[in-house]
Amino acid sequence: SYELTQPLSVSVALGQTARITCGGNNIGTKNVHWYQKKPGQAPVLVIYTQSNRPSGIPERFSGSNSGKTATLTISRAQGGDEGVYYCQVWDNSVWVFGGGTNLTVL
Amino acid sequence: QITLKESGPTLVKPTQTLTLTCTFSGFSFSASGVAVAWIRQPPGKALEWLALIFWDGAERYNPSLTNRLTIIKDASKDQVVLTMTNLDPVDTATYYCAHRINTDDAFDVWGQGTMVAVSS
Repeated sequence: SYELTQPLSVSVALGQTARITCGGNNIGTKNVHWYQKKPGQAPVLVIYTQSNRPSGIPERFSGSNSGKTATLTISRAQGGDEGVYYCQVWDNSVWVFGGGTNLTVL
Repeated sequence: QITLKESGPTLVKPTQTLTLTCTFSGFSFSASGVAVAWIRQPPGKALEWLALIFWDGAERYNPSLTNRLTIIKDASKDQVVLTMTNLDPVDTATYYCAHRINTDDAFDVWGQGTMVAVSS
């Protein structure tokens, strides 16, 4: 079965840029999506298909996917960006989530 | 505006069957490409996709749980129902239903989630 690997945690200083990675076999050939999850709230889609932002998601959120790693980039990080971020792909009729990365804004 | 809401029991005993209902609005299974999924999150753990049903009735299941899951749709009621058999305490989780983007395989709108505890 397909697996996605994310770092357990990432820290970023307020106003700086955070980068969260997602690795998987030939991930560059897949559409990668990203979700933000805060405690007690439902996940929110922040990036879909590598780099598309749903309506209402700030431009500070961007995504890329090449080679062996997909990356979610959050520019000018704010306290409200804290939470757990999950990457997700579709592989052979199975929807797969990564283990999640806890983002802390210092 | 698309909305989804989960409903079901909050406490289930081990070995029992869980039935969860997702009631939605803002879209219809009469439209080609529509799909609704169930996803769960055990306390302190990652999101886990469980099952998905398409507008045409096609079903997809997580291979690790396929023998315990059934997903059906009731288009007349705008509902999707998930049943999970032989519950175990490890199935304790918040269960979400979510709408799949019609042209992609991401989930753009999620329900608020419903917490289910499995305990005797």
